[in-house]
Amino acid sequence: AQSVTQLDSQVPVFEEAPVELRCNYSSSVSVYLFWYVQYPNQGLQLLLKYLSGSTLVKGINGFEAEFNKSQTSFHLRKPSVHISDTAEYFCAVNLNTGFQKLVFGTGTRLLVSP
Amino acid sequence: GAVVSQHPSRVICKSGTSVKIECRSLDFQATTMFWYRQFPKQSLMLMATSNEGSKATYEQGVEKDKFLINHASLTLSTLTVTSAHPEDSSFYICSAISGTGGSYEQYFGPGTRLTVT
Repeated sequence: AQSVTQLDSQVPVFEEAPVELRCNYSSSVSVYLFWYVQYPNQGLQLLLKYLSGSTLVKGINGFEAEFNKSQTSFHLRKPSVHISDTAEYFCAVNLNTGFQKLVFGTGTRLLVSP
Repeated sequence: GAVVSQHPSRVICKSGTSVKIECRSLDFQATTMFWYRQFPKQSLMLMATSNEGSKATYEQGVEKDKFLINHASLTLSTLTVTSAHPEDSSFYICSAISGTGGSYEQYFGPGTRLTVT
């Protein structure tokens, strides 16, 4: 069975600093990978996704992620964060088998302070 | 873009009563909808997968008689929490997949906060 690990439950960072949120997955088959952001008391918004092709994926709000198959990772990065980026970030995996079920990581709380 | 709505956004009910939550795809047809539950400061846990016109598929450990799911049309799925108890208090989120498929992207609703007193 596949699983998703987000090792950091919380990442504090100062405004305008770079940030990396880590995501590792385990799966015996190829996968699709997603990053979602959740603001308080709201649903999830897709930041970016990797389906195939270039391993560097660019998303909304200046975020990007790199798929590394050998390390089974899909880390999320932003070169300069804003206060408004404070939110919960979820990494998710979907098996590339035609069944569209998502498995989520436990989430990483990004706290941006001035 | 694809928009999914949920109604109500918040609901408070008394223990022992039932409450219905609606999930609608506003600008696309959703052949598949998912229902998730999220406890405070935790991740989303899939409860069930709902396909239009057929019975929902529940995840292990989810009581199908307690959480009734109906996907009667390509734009509407409902989750009914029957005989609700305080431990059912949670944030319920639905998502939908476009019938055209291909991208495997789920579009999420804004969630419903259920509080059982």
